[in-house]
Amino acid sequence: ETGVTQTPRHLVMGMTNKKSLKCEQHLGHNAMYWYKQSAKKPLELMFVYNFKEQTENNSVPSRFSPECPNSSHLFLHLHTLQPEDSALYLCASSQELEGFDEKLFFGSGTQLSVL
Amino acid sequence: KQEVTQIPAALSVPEGENLVLNCSFTDSAIYNLQWFRQDPGKGLTSLLLIQSSQREQTSGRLNASLDKSSGRSTLYIAASQPGDSATYLCAPDSGYSTLTFGKGTMLLVSP
Repeated sequence: ETGVTQTPRHLVMGMTNKKSLKCEQHLGHNAMYWYKQSAKKPLELMFVYNFKEQTENNSVPSRFSPECPNSSHLFLHLHTLQPEDSALYLCASSQELEGFDEKLFFGSGTQLSVL
Repeated sequence: KQEVTQIPAALSVPEGENLVLNCSFTDSAIYNLQWFRQDPGKGLTSLLLIQSSQREQTSGRLNASLDKSSGRSTLYIAASQPGDSATYLCAPDSGYSTLTFGKGTMLLVSP
């Protein structure tokens, strides 16, 4: 256990559905991240939150909508996704964003399939 | 834009061998470099973090080196075991936890 919990572990949705991914960290960290891992591609950073404020949006389509109500919880709201959005979505946290030697702790991910 | 290349893409070895996994990156202005392990369908586990001022970092049978000026890092695994089978990812940090990942080296250690 890394201290970062993601739910659900697996999700199948149609292109017209709306769903949300949840991430919770029990490490007392202040920075949280969403990464996307597609087959045979490197991990791509999607969003970064520091002390609940979004500091990075890596040109992600608006059909992905993040929410960070507090430093321990991070959501990714999904709507009208495309089949190419099928991937493993990983949440991570670190103590803070401004530290230059911060280890990232990852959750186990949500494997998303869009039909 | 930082680009990361990991060689080899896949590696299959018998148990007990010593291994070297290679990582190269294009922008040497990094603050640190992390090596991660990923099991199939799972998240990443941080193995080692080398600060930009360090040359190497060790944890058990793992040793990672960093040559920042040439944009290279290696992960050395001593006396490999079947439990080491996983994908190994390197990720230089360009600051503010902006990690760029390689595609990884998929390692299979057979008994």
